[in-house]
Amino acid sequence: DVKVTQSSRYLVKRTGEKVFLECVQDMDHENMFWYRQDPGLGLRLIYFSYDVKMKEKGDIPEGYSVSREKKERFSLILESASTNQTSMYLCASSLWQGGTGELFFGEGSRLTVL
Amino acid sequence: DAKTTQPTSMDCAEGRAANLPCNHSTISGNEYVYWYRQIHSQGPQYIIHGLKNNETNEMASLIITEDRKSSTLILPHATLRDTAVYYCIVRVKNTGTASKLTFGTGTRLQVTL
Repeated sequence: DVKVTQSSRYLVKRTGEKVFLECVQDMDHENMFWYRQDPGLGLRLIYFSYDVKMKEKGDIPEGYSVSREKKERFSLILESASTNQTSMYLCASSLWQGGTGELFFGEGSRLTVL
Repeated sequence: DAKTTQPTSMDCAEGRAANLPCNHSTISGNEYVYWYRQIHSQGPQYIIHGLKNNETNEMASLIITEDRKSSTLILPHATLRDTAVYYCIVRVKNTGTASKLTFGTGTRLQVTL
């Protein structure tokens, strides 16, 4: 079974803390994505990556950075967490070429910043 | 990637067909229509996709209008487990180029007894 695994389902952090959200996929996918999901706003793309060490900004990259040192791992970093970053974070991956083009999502990481 | 418009919410009686519409009037010739659904507290799950022909799989059917400006996802016999948020997105299929994939707010389908 294909799998996208997010390191933590629930996190509670304090304002100003540095936060790492990890995502690992076992499908040898080239593309990986980070979304955040908030009530009434749907899924909004933060960053995506199409190769190791490559990254592209999504629609709401402010306050976030990412790291892709290995093909299977894509990390989302909040350098200094703020309360408005309290949200559900979803990681996804897909093939670069071929296949159906579908995205495979993880179960999500719910972050609360106090 | 083209934008899509979906109704905010819909209701459907269990056992009946659920027809979820999506408008994508600015779709380009090489963009596919994809449908996903998200059950509460889970990540979105792929359902089906198509370019211009109607498609069917074990989960649903996808009807795309001839001008490709709109489509309908059909769940032929909705069950309570189909209660979820359904997202319609349009995008170029993987072609070796990077493209960001934007989801909207989707349609919240409530299946009732």
